[in-house]
Amino acid sequence: DVKVTQSSRYLVKRTGEKVFLECVQDMDHENMFWYRQDPGLGLRLIYFSYDVKMKEKGDIPEGYSVSREKKERFSLILESASTNQTSMYLCASNGIPFNSPLHFGNGTRLTVT
Amino acid sequence: RKEVEQDPGPFNVPEGATVAFNCTYSNSASQSFFWYRQDCRKEPKLLMSVYSSGNEDGRFTAQLNRASQYISLLIRDSKLSDSATYLCVVNFGNEKLTFGTGTRLTIIP
Repeated sequence: DVKVTQSSRYLVKRTGEKVFLECVQDMDHENMFWYRQDPGLGLRLIYFSYDVKMKEKGDIPEGYSVSREKKERFSLILESASTNQTSMYLCASNGIPFNSPLHFGNGTRLTVT
Repeated sequence: RKEVEQDPGPFNVPEGATVAFNCTYSNSASQSFFWYRQDCRKEPKLLMSVYSSGNEDGRFTAQLNRASQYISLLIRDSKLSDSATYLCVVNFGNEKLTFGTGTRLTIIP
């Protein structure tokens, strides 16, 4: 069974802090994604990656960056956290092709105070 | 206009009833369609893919109407465990999947 693991379930950070959200998948998937989910807005794609060291902007990349140094790990970085980045962050992965089913981690609830 | 639109609900339906909801999409070039289910405070999980010919999985039936640009999900003989948010997901022929905001369903005993 595919497992996507996010490092933290809950996180509280202060405005201006640098925040790292880690995601690891164990199924050798090529593609990895970071979404945020907010009430009334649904899931919105922040960044995705289709290979090691490759990254592509999603729909809302501003204020975020990502890193994929190893195939199984995809990190989301908030360079300087702001209160409007308080949200549920979901990591997902899938294999080829891009429209194959996504497997999600159980999410990180980030609160920025 | 949103790329993928769903009625947010909530749909409150008695146990055993049949319920259906639709999802409209904006791009006629859309290639792939899915329904995901998300339980409260959990991650989304794939419920079923939606094929051009329609498909059925037990009590669940999904259909695609390309002419009118919508997909539908029908749940028969609804169970309490069907209570969840149902997310419509569309691939527009690029590298990403676009999610609707979800339809919340509550099955009432």
